Amino acid sequence: DGGITQSPKYLFRKEGQNVTLSCEQNLNHDAMYWYRQDPGQGLRLIYYSQIVNDFQKGDIAEGYSVSREKKESFPLTVTSAQKNPTAFYLCASRGLADYNEQFFGPGTRLTVL
Amino acid sequence: GQQLNQSPQSMFIQEGEDVSMNCTSSSIFNTWLWYKQDPGEGPVLLIALYKAGELTSNGRLTAQFGITRKDSFLNISASIPSDVGIYFCAGPGTSYGKLTFGQGTILTVHP
Repeated sequence: DGGITQSPKYLFRKEGQNVTLSCEQNLNHDAMYWYRQDPGQGLRLIYYSQIVNDFQKGDIAEGYSVSREKKESFPLTVTSAQKNPTAFYLCASRGLADYNEQFFGPGTRLTVL
Repeated sequence: GQQLNQSPQSMFIQEGEDVSMNCTSSSIFNTWLWYKQDPGEGPVLLIALYKAGELTSNGRLTAQFGITRKDSFLNISASIPSDVGIYFCAGPGTSYGKLTFGQGTILTVHP
């Protein structure tokens, strides 16, 4: 089955700890994205990558880091510098032939205690 | 930067009723996308529009690309309980490959 997987679905961490969220896609898509969603709000772009070994900051990149060493993988690290890390995190990807259409994974809900 | 205003923010309807929601942009778009997000899940693409005036259907859903290219509309006919969720509009962002999202319309359907 082709798709985007995010793991785990729920993640709990203590304040001050870094945590890495996984995003894998087997759609052969070139571009990948990370969004943050807070209750009652829309999607805010954290980081995106149009090609392997390259990525750009989105609108709310502070306190986050990413890597894009493989086409199919785009992990997001939530660092201790992120002041309000508790949120729902969504990964998306887009193929070159898909024009503007992005396809989303199931999301990871991160709770920092 | 580009802004999308989506309305209404929330809707409470009875099963069987029709639903209408819309999205307006501060700038001209060449694409409108409509997504649905079920509770606790990722958004799923419902309809993509690429031409001004275009009217596209997907089952009970119909979306239109406004003539001015600054707005789009989504209609759901004969709503059912599984239509519950958040509906997002989206359009091209400020640089290639990015999207700008509306704030979402929360739909509740009472049986």
